[in-house]
Amino acid sequence: KAGVTQTPRYLIKTRGQQVTLSCSPISGHRSVSWYQQTPGQGLQFLFEYFSETQRNKGNFPGRFSGRQFSNSRSEMNVSTLELGDSALYLCASSLAGGTYGYTFGSGTRLTVV
Amino acid sequence: DAKTTQPTSMDCAEGRAANLPCNHSTISGNEYVYWYRQIHSQGPQYIIHGLKNNETNEMASLIITEDRKSSTLILPHATLRDTAVYYCIVRGINQAGTALIFGKGTTLSVSS
Repeated sequence: KAGVTQTPRYLIKTRGQQVTLSCSPISGHRSVSWYQQTPGQGLQFLFEYFSETQRNKGNFPGRFSGRQFSNSRSEMNVSTLELGDSALYLCASSLAGGTYGYTFGSGTRLTVV
Repeated sequence: DAKTTQPTSMDCAEGRAANLPCNHSTISGNEYVYWYRQIHSQGPQYIIHGLKNNETNEMASLIITEDRKSSTLILPHATLRDTAVYYCIVRGINQAGTALIFGKGTTLSVSS
């Protein structure tokens, strides 16, 4: 079956712009989580959605937001981009809240210049 | 903060068993031990999880000590493709919506 699909794979944006990243979970998975990975901070949790509702949010500024659609696809948005937002953004989906593991996508590599 | 402690790096010869240790001395009774790995530039991959009994699947074995304060992930016959960062995570089994807290993990280097 198809895995978690993230688009685009690579993105270059300018400081001050905004960006939207997309994640399509595995068919049947209703839980979608987002993580940011940087060399300095490692993997950090952004937020998790289940059935279009945000269930948990990490310690990130309000410039980071997300949403989930009725088909479980999710988007995350970062407004007013800063150089420090350059990172690999990973999406993960699960069937039962991660009880039996999360399946991660390959990520979107965002570079802010 | 991560509730686990892992060595920063380990080396293993191809074909030999790789034994990756993890300390989780503050684990509570309803928390499971999960292992994920991340191969360079890819998303983390779920490997295995367990509560108190030893577990085995097609990828690896998980040995948890009787007091549950530590565990070992065993890759029985390591290959070059097992070179990756391995993360040990503790998490409640029924904590939907609870984030995975990744530490720095162990970088396993498998060489021929």
